[in-house]
Amino acid sequence: GNSVTQMEGPVTLSEEAFLTINCTYTATGYPSLFWYVQYPGEGLQLLLKATKADDKGSNKGFEATYRKETTSFHLEKGSVQVSDSAVYFCALTMGTGNQFYFGTGTSLTVIP
Amino acid sequence: GAVVSQHPSWVICKSGTSVKIECRSLDFQATTMFWYRQFPKQSLMLMATSNEGSKATYEQGVEKDKFLINHASLTLSTLTVTSAHPEDSSFYICSARDGHRAYEQYFGPGTRLTVT
Repeated sequence: GNSVTQMEGPVTLSEEAFLTINCTYTATGYPSLFWYVQYPGEGLQLLLKATKADDKGSNKGFEATYRKETTSFHLEKGSVQVSDSAVYFCALTMGTGNQFYFGTGTSLTVIP
Repeated sequence: GAVVSQHPSWVICKSGTSVKIECRSLDFQATTMFWYRQFPKQSLMLMATSNEGSKATYEQGVEKDKFLINHASLTLSTLTVTSAHPEDSSFYICSARDGHRAYEQYFGPGTRLTVT
């Protein structure tokens, strides 16, 4: 079946620290991979995505590379800010706009 | 960009009553909409998939008679929680697939339901 595993949190970092949130997936075919961010009290917002192997998604200083050989899509940011505090979800979908399979989410808190 | 709205954003109801949540695609036609449920500090779990004009497909373990889904138009899907109980309290999120753009799916802001 299809599933996503991401590192458990919570993660607490100081401002300007380097961030990595690990995400690996299992899929029966060739999925599209996504990172969503959820700020407190809000819904999901698409952060970045990659639709094929070796693609790199990037947005707002965040990056993730679709690694087929390691079935991974790790999220990175070189210098986090307090405003990056949120819950981050890794997700995959198969085919054109089918259901999403989400990881359990990783809570990030950035302290000044 | 494409926008999906949900109404209401939060609702409190008494046990035994029913509550309806609307999900609208504001600037595109949503051939498929998905309803998810998010428990506190947990991930989103798919409840059902609805295609415009047809019956919703429910995931295993989701009571179709309790969670009524209607996708009457290409821009509107509704989720009705019937005879709500405190254990139905949760964050409900819909997503809508743009029928003209492959892989593009947009999430609503969610509805927080509290049953007292």
